[in-house]
Amino acid sequence: GAVVSQHPSRVICKSGTSVKIECRSLDFQATTMFWYRQFPKQSLMLMATSNEGSKATYEQGVEKDKFLINHASLTLSTLTVTSAHPEDSSFYICSARAGSYNSPLHFGNGTRLTVT
Amino acid sequence: GENVEQHPSTLSVQEGDSAVIKCTYSDSASNYFPWYKQELGKRPQLIIDIRSNVGEKKDQRIAVTLNKTAKHFSLHITETQPEDSAVYFCAASKQNNAGNMLTFGGGTRLMVKP
Repeated sequence: GAVVSQHPSRVICKSGTSVKIECRSLDFQATTMFWYRQFPKQSLMLMATSNEGSKATYEQGVEKDKFLINHASLTLSTLTVTSAHPEDSSFYICSARAGSYNSPLHFGNGTRLTVT
Repeated sequence: GENVEQHPSTLSVQEGDSAVIKCTYSDSASNYFPWYKQELGKRPQLIIDIRSNVGEKKDQRIAVTLNKTAKHFSLHITETQPEDSAVYFCAASKQNNAGNMLTFGGGTRLMVKP
C-alpha cells in the first residue's frame, strides 16, 4: 500500500532555532500534501496544503513566515518551523493522497517537536 | 467551510459490547467520509471509509452508516476488544479549489475494558 515517510520522529531544539521536517511519499506521487498539527488529546488541525511546484495554501491563523513549506518534487514536502518557541511544541503530521479527493489519505508517523 | 462534529468525546465500553460513534457535517457537497484510528503517539490509520452513493459499508467488526439527508454518519464497532482502545476520528471531504480538503471531527477516545 501507499506509504508516507516522515522524519524526524522526535526533535528537541532550543528556542530561536529552526527545525525542518520532511515528508516523503515512498511509492506514489503526491501533487498535494497536507500538514497538520495536533495538540495532546485534540484533533488534527490542518495547517497548510502543500502543492508541488507552487506556493502552499495556509489555513487562517497559521503564519506562513513561521511555518515554511516547500514542495520541491512529487514525492517530497518539507515543513520548517523557523525561530521556534516553546509554544510551537506539538505533534506535527503530514499526509498525502495517492489519488483523487475521495481516495484514502495516508499519514506520516508524525514528528514530536519539543522546544526548550 | 465544512464543519464536522463528533460525539461522544470519550466512550467506555466493556469488552464484547458494541461501540457507536456519531458525526455530523455541515456541507451537503461533501461526499467522502473516512474514519481513522489513532493509537497514542502514532499516525492515524484509515479503518473504513464510505462514499455518498452508499448508505452502509461493513468490514468484519466495523461498519459505517451514512445518512446524506440528515448529514450524519456513524461508526459501529461490534464485539469490542481491548486492542480497539484508541482515538477515532471521522472526517468529511469534497473536491474544492484546493483539490483535497479533508475536515476532521474532534475525535472520540474509546476505552474497552477487559
